[in-house]
Amino acid sequence: GEDVEQSLFLSVREGDSSVINCTYTDSSSTYLYWYKQEPGAGLQLLTYIFSNMDMKQDQRLTVLLNKKDKHLSLRIADTQTGDSAIYFCAESIRNQGGKLIFGQGTELSVKP
Amino acid sequence: NAGVTQTPKFQVLKTGQSMTLQCAQDMNHEYMSWYRQDPGMGLRLIHYSVGAGITDQGEVPNGYNVSRSTTEDFPLRLLSAAPSQTSVYFCASSLTGYTDTQYFGPGTRLTVL
Repeated sequence: GEDVEQSLFLSVREGDSSVINCTYTDSSSTYLYWYKQEPGAGLQLLTYIFSNMDMKQDQRLTVLLNKKDKHLSLRIADTQTGDSAIYFCAESIRNQGGKLIFGQGTELSVKP
Repeated sequence: NAGVTQTPKFQVLKTGQSMTLQCAQDMNHEYMSWYRQDPGMGLRLIHYSVGAGITDQGEVPNGYNVSRSTTEDFPLRLLSAAPSQTSVYFCASSLTGYTDTQYFGPGTRLTVL
């Protein structure tokens, strides 16, 4: 079946790196996404990676994909208080018309 | 370009009442979907549509109806609201489907008493 798992909480100090982890079960996923949700707001797409890639870097964000272990991570360098939010990992499933399977979300708390 | 808009932002219903959550996009996207967000459970897909006149069920469709008469609009109907439908509802759209970035609306916070 399709399942995406994330740890629920992460706390870091401002200026440190944050690493948010995600595991998924469906091997037919095509794209894997990271979304950010600030309090009271909708979801904002941060970055995504195609399932045949290992790594993608976008400014302070680095996405690593280990397809063998079905493990995805998001690294935020030089974490700022404005990065405090809930981060969702999601996978899209081949041949299911755009359906996204979301993890539970990881609440990142950045302390000054 | 307004993107994906949702109305209302907040709604309180009594058990048994019906209502329609509105979703519209002005990006000429074919794919639209509805999710609900509950604490500790992430987002779960309710219904989705791959184009005008075509809808399909997602993971948690019971108690909800949808229709897609135009490309722009994808309303979600609650036929007889139940407290279990208290949630935050998000609408999303993308150009054609899973290979395209999905854009989310700001959400509707619904409370059913």
